[in-house]
Amino acid sequence: ETGVTQTPRHLVMGMTNKKSLKCEQHLGHNAMYWYKQSAKKPLELMFVYSLEERVENNSVPSRFSPECPNSSHLFLHLHTLQPEDSALYLCASSQDTLAGTDTQYFGPGTRLTVL
Amino acid sequence: RKEVEQDPGPFNVPEGATVAFNCTYSNSASQSFFWYRQDCRKEPKLLMSVYSSGNEDGRFTAQLNRASQYISLLIRDSKLSDSATYLCVVNIWDYGQNFVFGPGTRLSVLP
Repeated sequence: ETGVTQTPRHLVMGMTNKKSLKCEQHLGHNAMYWYKQSAKKPLELMFVYSLEERVENNSVPSRFSPECPNSSHLFLHLHTLQPEDSALYLCASSQDTLAGTDTQYFGPGTRLTVL
Repeated sequence: RKEVEQDPGPFNVPEGATVAFNCTYSNSASQSFFWYRQDCRKEPKLLMSVYSSGNEDGRFTAQLNRASQYISLLIRDSKLSDSATYLCVVNIWDYGQNFVFGPGTRLSVLP
């Protein structure tokens, strides 16, 4: 399945590094999401973009910075992360129909380890 | 109270068994409901959408009770490949999408 792709699949970085995660969706959707999944915890919504506008930011630390240049691409820029930021970062997309009946499709995730 | 709660699990069942998972949600503005499965270290994958009173897809049956704010997933004739974590997801419509994930229920189907 290649509807939603993410790169890199694995990333190890030091606390002083700057890196970016990339997500691309090929489904023609107009909404994209970043989630964080830590070990044995539910998925936590980080950011939502609809029609390239950020519509939700669930009080995520500023060391995470999203960017949505168009409806098919979503980035998560990382800088000065902490070891507790180590997690699986999942991108998802949906067709925002303004009807509350959308379905999300997920990318394979980036497994991030912060040393 | 958490917005979406699920059976804590884990469920360990023999092949061929029937198993049911429960999910409750607290927000009455919830519009749509889903079951996803997530294999270890993989992304969640959509198993079923539940839009009205429930639906069936092969061995899987999802039920929705809006009055009780309760969703269930029934798996008949369990296969080894059904072993995964099952996530209940609620889309709370409030002038925008808000997908809320439950903590998941782990299922292990044993030979």
